[in-house]
Amino acid sequence: GENVEQHPSTLSVQEGDSAVIKCTYSDSASNYFPWYKQELGKRPQLIIDIRSNVGEKKDQRIAVTLNKTAKHFSLHITETQPEDSAVYFCAASKSGYSTLTFGKGTMLLVSP
Amino acid sequence: DAEITQSPRHKITETGRQVTLACHQTWNHNNMFWYRQDLGHGLRLIHYSYGVQDTNKGEVSDGYSVSRSNTEDLPLTLESAASSQTSVYFCASSVGALDTQYFGPGTRLTVL
Repeated sequence: GENVEQHPSTLSVQEGDSAVIKCTYSDSASNYFPWYKQELGKRPQLIIDIRSNVGEKKDQRIAVTLNKTAKHFSLHITETQPEDSAVYFCAASKSGYSTLTFGKGTMLLVSP
Repeated sequence: DAEITQSPRHKITETGRQVTLACHQTWNHNNMFWYRQDLGHGLRLIHYSYGVQDTNKGEVSDGYSVSRSNTEDLPLTLESAASSQTSVYFCASSVGALDTQYFGPGTRLTVL
């Protein structure tokens, strides 16, 4: 089955800096890659996703890039703010399947 | 507004007891999922359902069961609770494959 590796497990940045979280996947048939944000004590919520027919997608300060050849994808957050502090999960899935395989998460701490 | 709810939000039980966690969604989503979340393991899929009368095992299904008698509900049953099942449990739903999964608020289960 699919295996998703996520790095780093923790990331500390200063407010205004950029943050990058990287994930690799094992199943070359995977073609859907969502990112979820989970604030402390809250439920995971989708923040951005990308499908394999595009290489990059942006939404304001958040962007995701996908390299299908290398089987990795990354989340980029620019101009970080304290409210970006949370655990971020990457995931992978493929056509015909509704299940997601999640990475183990990255705890992002943005210091003022 | 449509939503997904879980009950109870907190539960303490004893080893060997049967426990049922409820999940209810009002979006009329076909797909429903149960995950457990533990430190260092991220979100792991327990069981999932693609529709009424359909259930499937996930990555960590041993000791758990589900049933789907209608579109709105997917209760999760721990047949004989074990201390290793102490965790936070999230229910989620989605319209179909490669669609956003919406998570419930979670249930914190402690097995003593």
